[in-house]
Amino acid sequence: DGGITQSPKYLFRKEGQNVTLSCEQNLNHDAMYWYRQDPGQGLRLIYYSQIVNDFQKGDIAEGYSVSREKKESFPLTVTSAQKNPTAFYLCASSIMQGASNSPLHFGNGTRLTVT
Amino acid sequence: AQSVSQHNHHVILSEAASLELGCNYSYGGTVNLFWYVQYPGQHLQLLLKYFSGDPLVKGIKGFEAEFIKSKFSFNLRKPSVQWSDTAEYFCAVGAEKRKLIFGQGTELSVKP
Repeated sequence: DGGITQSPKYLFRKEGQNVTLSCEQNLNHDAMYWYRQDPGQGLRLIYYSQIVNDFQKGDIAEGYSVSREKKESFPLTVTSAQKNPTAFYLCASSIMQGASNSPLHFGNGTRLTVT
Repeated sequence: AQSVSQHNHHVILSEAASLELGCNYSYGGTVNLFWYVQYPGQHLQLLLKYFSGDPLVKGIKGFEAEFIKSKFSFNLRKPSVQWSDTAEYFCAVGAEKRKLIFGQGTELSVKP
């Protein structure tokens, strides 16, 4: 089945450690996205990539980094500089290079807890 | 800047009641509009979308939404809800810079 796989489902880290969240898609989509979901705030865009080896900052990129070395993969690193990293992280992809006019396909998310 | 507002944070209905979830956006140009749904324990999925044409769009599971340009609104409706509609609903708007902006989400609880 085609889809987006995020791993792990739950992740626990100590404060001050960097952590990388995995996102893989086999939909052959060009564009990939990382969102953060917090209660009462909806989804906020962290980073997006419209093509391999290129990515752009979203609305809340500070404290995060990404890479897009392969079309299928878009890992997100939550660095120690992120002041409030505990959240639910969602990865998404779209067939076209523009989320504004192409429906997103989402993964099941990773819940990160930093203590 | 683009923004999307969903006024209802949590809606509680009995089965067979009618549903209307509000969504308003702020952007003066052409927009694409979406409603996504997240059922408990499942991933977010597309419910319906509007790009152009008939402003009344129909989605899956009996949902529909009406785009009213003059009111900058894209409200979601369903004539008769079921317990299985219990979920969180997100309105999203796509316009400039090819980004999608999501609303805060509305949690719908349907009592059997």
